[in-house]
Amino acid sequence: AQKITQTQPGMFVQEKEAVTLDCTYDTSDQSYGLFWYKQPSSGEMIFLIYQGSYDEQNATEGRYSLNFQKARKSANLVISASQLGDSAMYFCAMREDPSGAGSYQLTFGKGTKLSVIP
Amino acid sequence: DVKVTQSSRYLVKRTGEKVFLECVQDMDHENMFWYRQDPGLGLRLIYFSYDVKMKEKGDIPEGYSVSREKKERFSLILESASTNQTSMYLCASSFSRGGHSNTGELFFGEGSRLTVL
Repeated sequence: AQKITQTQPGMFVQEKEAVTLDCTYDTSDQSYGLFWYKQPSSGEMIFLIYQGSYDEQNATEGRYSLNFQKARKSANLVISASQLGDSAMYFCAMREDPSGAGSYQLTFGKGTKLSVIP
Repeated sequence: DVKVTQSSRYLVKRTGEKVFLECVQDMDHENMFWYRQDPGLGLRLIYFSYDVKMKEKGDIPEGYSVSREKKERFSLILESASTNQTSMYLCASSFSRGGHSNTGELFFGEGSRLTVL
């Protein structure tokens, strides 16, 4: 079973509009973390935002916010005021500690390709 | 800034060749990872290492091996390359839980795009 599900292979958004990229996760751990990364066409992976499972407030970083709904196991990324430079692949990832010894691993979703239209 | 450097951005190899993908990080990270990225499949973990000379299999280790002789360097080895190993390979590193950062954030290299003919 997939641990991270991104149901939108591709999305379009008009420049200056807001867009929500969906991510649901599956874990039985109490302590975990959720990440969003951006991958432009150049290939590098850029960290955007992080949410810990015990964090009560939704994480925000500039135009990025993470809509964390723990009971629904969702961690959607909201990008406000989209820009042309936001066109990229976006990956949701979950941090786990399979050994319980503090050796973290990240499991990634399949990604969503966002295209910003002028 | 954290720097993760992968030795080659683009490689073209022939079936059966031995291939080395090198990764070096300069932030004294304990943990290092190799992922493979394919369209529609996202990133899949091949191997990882939490310390020098140790290695653990990820989700898709078949056909690969790794070496970590020094803390800063983590090599991915394809003993006999096959066409189905044509892919983008991403190296990443992170601090351990007890280190400077406790989020587990991964710092990535720029990727190595391997084509096996």
